[in-house]
Amino acid sequence: QVQLVESGGGVVQPGMSLRLSCATSGFSFSNYGMHWVRQAPGKGLDWVAVIWYDGTNKYYADSVKGRFIISRDNSKNTLYLQMSSLRAEDTAVYYCARERPGVRWELPDYGMDVWGQGTTVTVSS
Amino acid sequence: SSELTQDPAVSVALGQTVRITCQGDSLRSNYASWFQQKPGQAPVLVIYGKNNRPSGIPDRFSGSSSGNTASLTITGAQAEDEADYYCNSRDSSGDHLLFGGGTKLTVL
Repeated sequence: QVQLVESGGGVVQPGMSLRLSCATSGFSFSNYGMHWVRQAPGKGLDWVAVIWYDGTNKYYADSVKGRFIISRDNSKNTLYLQMSSLRAEDTAVYYCARERPGVRWELPDYGMDVWGQGTTVTVSS
Repeated sequence: SSELTQDPAVSVALGQTVRITCQGDSLRSNYASWFQQKPGQAPVLVIYGKNNRPSGIPDRFSGSSSGNTASLTITGAQAEDEADYYCNSRDSSGDHLLFGGGTKLTVL
């Protein structure tokens, strides 16, 4: 079955960096765009970034642009999120999510389906 | 930039019908997806596209859209439907995704 497993979360000081990973299995990873979505404690879902199936296009939320980098290694079926210049407001559970099968970014029914269980990032001094 | 607006909380009596709405300019040209999230769990997709349910989602969940508003309807709400519900779509600029603020559904 489709599985997404995030790792790499932890407690870091403001200004520091952290890299999250999302190991996938059960589907052809190299055929799917992938997302990072976060959720601050007690708050709603907040889209972070997307990377196309082949890594050629990446889009970011304004709040993380220039600080976070989404990447992927299709040979390892793994998605990454390199986070730099971390701020207290980046504290959240970070989820990776797969785009739905057969969708294309430019079409009006674009969206995600399967999510991982999340990894917690805490930015605090 | 665009945003999606949801009512923060809605309640429904057991077995009755409830509609959860999501408003935003992006919904005039994009379909909403709907996710259910229970405490301590990852979100689960319940409705996508015009009105499609993933495998395993009960048929009491349905979706609709009109103008700038998307709706999730639960017909015959069950106790296990108590959860937070989030709408999601691509924004009008085409290079971001948006989530609504979420609606906490209480089943009485």
